[in-house]
Amino acid sequence: AQSVTQPDIHITVSEGASLELRCNYSYGATPYLFWYVQSPGQGLQLLLKYFSGDTLVQGIKGFEAEFKRSQSSFNLRKPSVHWSDAAEYFCAVGVGGSNYQLIWGAGTKLIIKP
Amino acid sequence: ETGVTQTPRHLVMGMTNKKSLKCEQHLGHNAMYWYKQSAKKPLELMFVYNFKEQTENNSVPSRFSPECPNSSHLFLHLHTLQPEDSALYLCASSQSSQGPGGEQYFGPGTRLTVT
Repeated sequence: AQSVTQPDIHITVSEGASLELRCNYSYGATPYLFWYVQSPGQGLQLLLKYFSGDTLVQGIKGFEAEFKRSQSSFNLRKPSVHWSDAAEYFCAVGVGGSNYQLIWGAGTKLIIKP
Repeated sequence: ETGVTQTPRHLVMGMTNKKSLKCEQHLGHNAMYWYKQSAKKPLELMFVYNFKEQTENNSVPSRFSPECPNSSHLFLHLHTLQPEDSALYLCASSQSSQGPGGEQYFGPGTRLTVT
């Protein structure tokens, strides 16, 4: 069955430090991969997506993610975090054809230390 | 108004009440979704509407009843809910629920508390 795992429930990073959020998926075919961010009291906003081509994708707010097929991973990175990046981050996999839907991870809450 | 809006933002209801959640999208999309978001759990897809037709019902209890009168509006009618139904209910829309690559745009959600 398709699934998405975000192993870290919480991550604490100092402002200005680099960040990597992990995402592993289980899906037999080529996946469509997404990272969304949810700020407190807000809905989810798309950060970036991977469909095909270059395995390193750039997103908004300085985020990037790398698709590694051999590891079934799609980790999110940012070289230097800002206090405004404190939020919850969700990885999702798009599966299916005519009955396409997103399978979601449980999220990783990012805490920024001043 | 732009994007996806949801009303009300907060709702407290008793188990015998009947209430409705409303979602409106101003993006010209033709697919709309209801999700349930509970703490520390993945988003749970509840219902999908494509061109006003329900194409997905993920074994949602009948106390949740969706309605999609047109491609821009989506309702979730609630009755005789249980305390475990307390959660954030998110509405989303996309260009189509058919085929891959459908980026979904989310509303801010309705925080529902069942007492």
